[in-house]
Amino acid sequence: DAGVIQSPRHEVTEMGQEVTLRCKPISGHDYLFWYRQTMMRGLELLIYFNNNVPIDDSGMPEDRFSAKMPNASFSTLKIQPSEPRDSAVYFCASSGGGVWRAGEAFFGQGTRLTVV
Amino acid sequence: AQTVTQSQPEMSVQEAETVTLSCTYDTSESDYYLFWYKQPPSRQMILVIRQEAYKQQNATENRFSVNFQKAAKSFSLKISDSQLGDAAMYFCAYRSADSTSGTYKYIFGTGTRLKVLA
Repeated sequence: DAGVIQSPRHEVTEMGQEVTLRCKPISGHDYLFWYRQTMMRGLELLIYFNNNVPIDDSGMPEDRFSAKMPNASFSTLKIQPSEPRDSAVYFCASSGGGVWRAGEAFFGQGTRLTVV
Repeated sequence: AQTVTQSQPEMSVQEAETVTLSCTYDTSESDYYLFWYKQPPSRQMILVIRQEAYKQQNATENRFSVNFQKAAKSFSLKISDSQLGDAAMYFCAYRSADSTSGTYKYIFGTGTRLKVLA
């Protein structure tokens, strides 16, 4: 397996534009997590899915952020409209559940988002 | 809600010496898992060590070991014989094991940047 795949690796956009970040989890993993990493706040959990269903989106900062998981192999995180304070590295991670709940979370390489 | 706190933004250690990174957490659950992840400059997140809350024995992985104090909700990482390659950001993580709902939330601390001095 190629691991968790995120795209793009880098994104530079202008304030007010829509940004879509993409993630392909590891096949067979039924948990998918979206995190935002900043110097001040570390790794913040934004939302996570179990079997494609959003379980907890309490970390989503505001209505400008939305996430979907239309199937087991794909998820998106969308910011509309984007603002400079959204600049950060966004990580996607996947993990097993059930008897594998002690398993590690496998992370993608992250998307560095810069909003100018 | 569960929280993870790393109170040391940055630590330094001399090569070949030992260093301990601190982590505390807050939870009302009795069943959970704790992890330490390493993030080098490449941004890749790498699992260093894991601990099941129901196990009293502290986990060990080569030069890495933990001091798990369940009652105190403390989970520190000890790195022995530090090497230059250990320089990275280290994150403490908590994973809940909600057997009622069957959902397992993964949360992280703010990280500790470890510098290794030659």
